[in-house]
Amino acid sequence: EAGVAQSPRYKIIEKRQSVAFWCNPISGHATLYWYQQILGQGPKLLIQFQNNGVVDDSQLPKDRFSAERLKGVDSTLKIQPAKLEDSAVYLCASSPLGADYGYTFGSGTRLTVV
Amino acid sequence: KQEVTQIPAALSVPEGENLVLNCSFTDSAIYNLQWFRQDPGKGLTSLLLIQSSQREQTSGRLNASLDKSSGRSTLYIAASQPGDSATYLCAVRPMDSSYKLIFGSGTRLLVRP
Repeated sequence: EAGVAQSPRYKIIEKRQSVAFWCNPISGHATLYWYQQILGQGPKLLIQFQNNGVVDDSQLPKDRFSAERLKGVDSTLKIQPAKLEDSAVYLCASSPLGADYGYTFGSGTRLTVV
Repeated sequence: KQEVTQIPAALSVPEGENLVLNCSFTDSAIYNLQWFRQDPGKGLTSLLLIQSSQREQTSGRLNASLDKSSGRSTLYIAASQPGDSATYLCAVRPMDSSYKLIFGSGTRLLVRP
């Protein structure tokens, strides 16, 4: 079974620039999550999709972050404009609908904002 | 607001030692608790999941316990090996309609040969 695919692996941008991350979940997983992990901290949920609908985006800074999952499969997370404090690893995860088991994380995208 | 705390933040032990990692959470209204392992530059791997009605789960040399009423969980690693070196994160699934996880900051474990 293929895992959760994320790209790019690394990205360095200047503040005020824009950036986009891509995630392809495990085939058949209805639920997709984007987490932000700042160095030395645990991951924090940014947004959760179930199929192509948003379940929880309460911690997404909506003035600069956006995410979509148009066909209920892959997803894109965008930051525009980026701030220094957005430097973090952005992890995508997926899980089967209504299941706690099978929660699978991708390797993440490490973003550095300079 | 649910908060998850892990102590210690870092731990260094010689190979072969048995060790315990601690996790505490402030709100006992949870569906379950999971322990994850994170290797540098990689994603998280689920190790054990304990449902709120369970007291413990075991997998190989790993044993996780849950005391929901006191808001505590422990991860016991028996006969530690250098390959166990990683960051261990605990996460709770709060009792709401989503499947989000709330993570602690992790314990960075180094097992010395």
